[in-house]
Amino acid sequence: AQRVTQPEKLLSVFKGAPVELKCNYSYSGSPELFWYVQYSRQRLQLLLRHISRESIKGFTADLNKGETSFHLKKPFAQEEDSAMYYCALQYGNKLVFGAGTILRVKS
Amino acid sequence: EAGVAQSPRYKIIEKRQSVAFWCNPISGHATLYWYQQILGQGPKLLIQFQNNGVVDDSQLPKDRFSAERLKGVDSTLKIQPAKLEDSAVYLCASRSGIGHYGYTFGSGTRLTVV
Repeated sequence: AQRVTQPEKLLSVFKGAPVELKCNYSYSGSPELFWYVQYSRQRLQLLLRHISRESIKGFTADLNKGETSFHLKKPFAQEEDSAMYYCALQYGNKLVFGAGTILRVKS
Repeated sequence: EAGVAQSPRYKIIEKRQSVAFWCNPISGHATLYWYQQILGQGPKLLIQFQNNGVVDDSQLPKDRFSAERLKGVDSTLKIQPAKLEDSAVYLCASRSGIGHYGYTFGSGTRLTVV
């Protein structure tokens, strides 16, 4: 069955420290993977997708098919990065989410 | 472009009462989704519409939940009767059907069943 696992409920880092939010997936086909972000009192929004290999707000994510992972990284965390982050897997017309990780950036 | 509109923003009801949520997707978006997000969990798909037809409702508790999308535009999700475990945020999303950038989420309805 298709599944997305985010092992950390909460990740707390200091401003300027590197960030890595972990995501592992289970899917037998070619995965389409995404990171969504939800800032406080805002709606869920797309942060980035693996297929575009882009950097958004300093975040990058690389798909590792061997390890079935799609970890989200940023070299230097900023306070405005504090939010809930969801990893998501798309197959067909369906989008399956992980449980989410709260990122808290302390000053 | 206007976003996905949902109402109400909040709703508190007693168990065994009924409740309905409304969603107005982005104009022209053929696909509409309802997700349930329980506190501490990621959004879970309840039902997916393509225009006014149901594509997937395999995770919808059909004994108490129902949804419709008349004329392929607005959609309503109903719970009758509600249970305590239905307390969650109900998210509506729509998609143009082209690529992935089409997914747009509404701000959700937070339901509390007491």
